[in-house]
Amino acid sequence: QSALTQPASVSGSPGQSITISCTGTSSDVGSYNLVSWYQQHPGKAPKLMIYEVSKRPSGVSNRFSGSKSGSTASLTISGLQAEDEADYYCCSYAGSSVVVFGGGTKLTVL
Amino acid sequence: QVQLVQSGAEVKKPGASVMVSCKASGYTFTSYVMHWVRQAPGQRLEWMGWINAGNGDTKYSQRFQGRVTSTRDTSASTAYMELSSLRSEDTAVYYCARDYCSGGSCYQGAFDYWGQGTLVTVSS
Repeated sequence: QSALTQPASVSGSPGQSITISCTGTSSDVGSYNLVSWYQQHPGKAPKLMIYEVSKRPSGVSNRFSGSKSGSTASLTISGLQAEDEADYYCCSYAGSSVVVFGGGTKLTVL
Repeated sequence: QVQLVQSGAEVKKPGASVMVSCKASGYTFTSYVMHWVRQAPGQRLEWMGWINAGNGDTKYSQRFQGRVTSTRDTSASTAYMELSSLRSEDTAVYYCARDYCSGGSCYQGAFDYWGQGTLVTVSS
């Protein structure tokens, strides 16, 4: 199972919106609405931000939203804040009880 | 509150095996699936496999098939992951992570609680 494809880095200024893409195949992202997104600050464990493509767990800011079109999922962060600077990973179910992560995207808040 | 507390850092020689433990508290251990995810230094998250803490069923990534074994001790609410035939490329932080479940459904690939991570260093 190959890793999902994410841009290595994205950046934005405070208050702006950014979008991180996550491209898979018809065997994972394209076949299941089971894409999740994680935020990871340096030296910390990942934090679940989005599950089932677009749902937010309790306690996650509504500035974070997710969507999917075909085999590409996206995470959008609106009203960018300094504390959003982190690594972001997508994750998709790939069938047969297997999941696969993306390569990760470093978000820099300028 | 839910907590997953992992065992401490390990240093192993190439060819050896390592076992990482993950002690759960704050919820019914046997009602959830526990996953194992690793992250080499400066690298991406990599899913390794899972164990159903209730019935002991397991599933592993093909990449680790034959080298990884997950077990659990329900009396101790603890899951274990053993990785054998270690090589330098296995140097990483290993995490346990619990399936996210809500409203009676559990969501594949969504993990709501994570352990603090266990650094495994493989070096001769």
